[in-house]
Amino acid sequence: AQTVTQSQPEMSVQEAETVTLSCTYDTSESDYYLFWYKQPPSRQMILVIRQEAYKQQNATENRFSVNFQKAAKSFSLKISDSQLGDAAMYFCAFSPDMRFGAGTRLTVKP
Amino acid sequence: NAGVTQTPKFRVLKTGQSMTLLCAQDMNHEYMYWYRQDPGMGLRLIHYSVGEGTTAKGEVPDGYNVSRLKKQNFLLGLESAAPSQTSVYFCASTTTPSMNTEAFFGQGTRLTVV
Repeated sequence: AQTVTQSQPEMSVQEAETVTLSCTYDTSESDYYLFWYKQPPSRQMILVIRQEAYKQQNATENRFSVNFQKAAKSFSLKISDSQLGDAAMYFCAFSPDMRFGAGTRLTVKP
Repeated sequence: NAGVTQTPKFRVLKTGQSMTLLCAQDMNHEYMYWYRQDPGMGLRLIHYSVGEGTTAKGEVPDGYNVSRLKKQNFLLGLESAAPSQTSVYFCASTTTPSMNTEAFFGQGTRLTVV
């Protein structure tokens, strides 16, 4: 079975600074997708960014970007110019299994 | 635009009681999932369905049953609730996971078993 590991239970960043959240996964599949979801206190799950494994180019969505290292099975999320509204739980997810990591709680300090 | 709707939003059960959580989606999605979320453990997959009439076990299926009699509905049942099943439950749906599509989530159900 595929596994998704987030080794940072908590992270903190100063407002306007940059933070990187880590995610590693284990799979024997060659074709798959990776996602980062955000869960604010409202509990709603919000898609932040997605990456297709066959694409070498790292995905970018405004202030959010990923560093996808397929050989190392690593999929980190970089948040630039952090804002107070970025404070949330962040989950890395692997598809097609739809497996999730344990999450990283991000705190943004004003 | 209802998306994915979970019923109920909150529930308190006594040990040994049974209940059913309903998940309904109006996006004609093939795949549906039930997760439980516990502090420090992320979302763990309980059961999932790849289409009407089909279900499969996930990571933590014990103590739960599911049914997918209609494409739009995915039911999660607890036959005899235990305190260890106190959790927040999420339902999600997606088209074919092999396509690059996101999962859409319900708002969650907070279940407390006393």
